[in-house]
Amino acid sequence: QKEVEQDPGPLSVPEGAIVSLNCTYSNSAFQYFMWYRQYSRKGPELLMYTYSSGNKEDGRFTAQVDKSSKYISLFIRDSQPSDSATYLCAMSVATNAGKSTFGDGTTLTVKP
Amino acid sequence: SAVISQKPSRDICQRGTSLTIQCQVDSQVTMMFWYRQQPGQSLTLIATANQGSEATYESGFVIDKFPISRPNLTFSTLTVSNMSPEDSSIYLCSGDRGYNEQFFGPGTRLTVL
Repeated sequence: QKEVEQDPGPLSVPEGAIVSLNCTYSNSAFQYFMWYRQYSRKGPELLMYTYSSGNKEDGRFTAQVDKSSKYISLFIRDSQPSDSATYLCAMSVATNAGKSTFGDGTTLTVKP
Repeated sequence: SAVISQKPSRDICQRGTSLTIQCQVDSQVTMMFWYRQQPGQSLTLIATANQGSEATYESGFVIDKFPISRPNLTFSTLTVSNMSPEDSSIYLCSGDRGYNEQFFGPGTRLTVL
């Protein structure tokens, strides 16, 4: 079993929909939780970063972490065609980011 | 954030040859990393590039196959040695100034025939 499991998708939604992207994990030592967005033929870019449990909001994006359930989510409100990309969750035990463990990614398509 | 460039962006190589990928960051970073990403799959960490010393490799990756250099705080190279078709992948360089905020290069698409 993988340490990080991500809803596989693909996911297709109409423009303006609320999108929920989810990951579960098994390592209770994970303290840092990240979401990356990766456009086709590009490198991943950091979208959201959360330490420990709680919510973090940045514009249309909200990251949630529930450590008791070992479950993290990324919500996208008022989704736009420009949000079409692959979203990767990542987690790490310490601030050494290179030791992050990545999910396999969920590909999202937002249709106009 | 910082900007990372990689060269080459893509290459097609013959079995048994080697390819060196360059990674340049536009500002100093604490740590640099090399990842491999198979199409449609997640990122797998190959190694941490340490400035002025030997890279730290993850399980399943060895220096003879993936020699890495990092002569200064903004530049690193990854060599894929004695390539086989199984090495066909996207190779990504990343930098980190701390606090898990990694930023990635655009990747090098490698096809081995």
